[in-house]
Amino acid sequence: QVQLVQSGAEVKRPGASVKVSCKASGYTFAPYYIHWVRLAPGRGPEWMGWVIPRNGDTKYAPKFQGRVTMTRDTSINTAFLELTRLTPDDTAVYYCARGVLKEGGWPSLDPWGQGTLVTVSS
Amino acid sequence: DIQLTQSPSFLSASVGDRVTITCRASQAIYNSYLAWYQQKPGKAPDLLIYGASILQSGVPSRFSGSGSGTKFTLTINNLQPEDFATYYCQQLNSLPRTFGGGTEVEIK
Repeated sequence: QVQLVQSGAEVKRPGASVKVSCKASGYTFAPYYIHWVRLAPGRGPEWMGWVIPRNGDTKYAPKFQGRVTMTRDTSINTAFLELTRLTPDDTAVYYCARGVLKEGGWPSLDPWGQGTLVTVSS
Repeated sequence: DIQLTQSPSFLSASVGDRVTITCRASQAIYNSYLAWYQQKPGKAPDLLIYGASILQSGVPSRFSGSGSGTKFTLTINNLQPEDFATYYCQQLNSLPRTFGGGTEVEIK
């Protein structure tokens, strides 16, 4: 079945960087965008951006521009999110999700990875 | 950016109730490019509805979505124990993609 499996929880110091992976299985990796969304306690989900596995093109939310890098390795069907200059406000669960066009052309995110908790604390 | 405001942010309901969640957009969402997700504690969000009103495969028919432009609603008829969760709307019409703040549905 279509599945996205993410790397494990991370604890980082302020100012550090974190890299989260998202391994896809059960479908052809290249054509489907991989989106990254984070969910922090008490806040709604924040869309961070996407990477297109076919060609590596990216689009980032302005809030994260300059601090985020999304990449992919098609040889292992895996997408990566790197976030730099971490602060405690970056403490959140980070999710990858596949961008799909449903029949009729309707976009949505389906499925999602299981999430990766990133804790930033001194 | 399109801001999405969900209301209520929290609601307490009983099994068998009908509940309605509203998602209001700061600008019109064209083509009904709006999706709803359900998230249970400790789990990833699951797609419920896309195209504002189309049920994802496998989603029970007690869920329904409607709306256009700047106002969208998610309705759950005959609320079941497994429906107690947090629900989010998302617009996929423009960049950056944005989400509502969420509605937590709790058992009364």
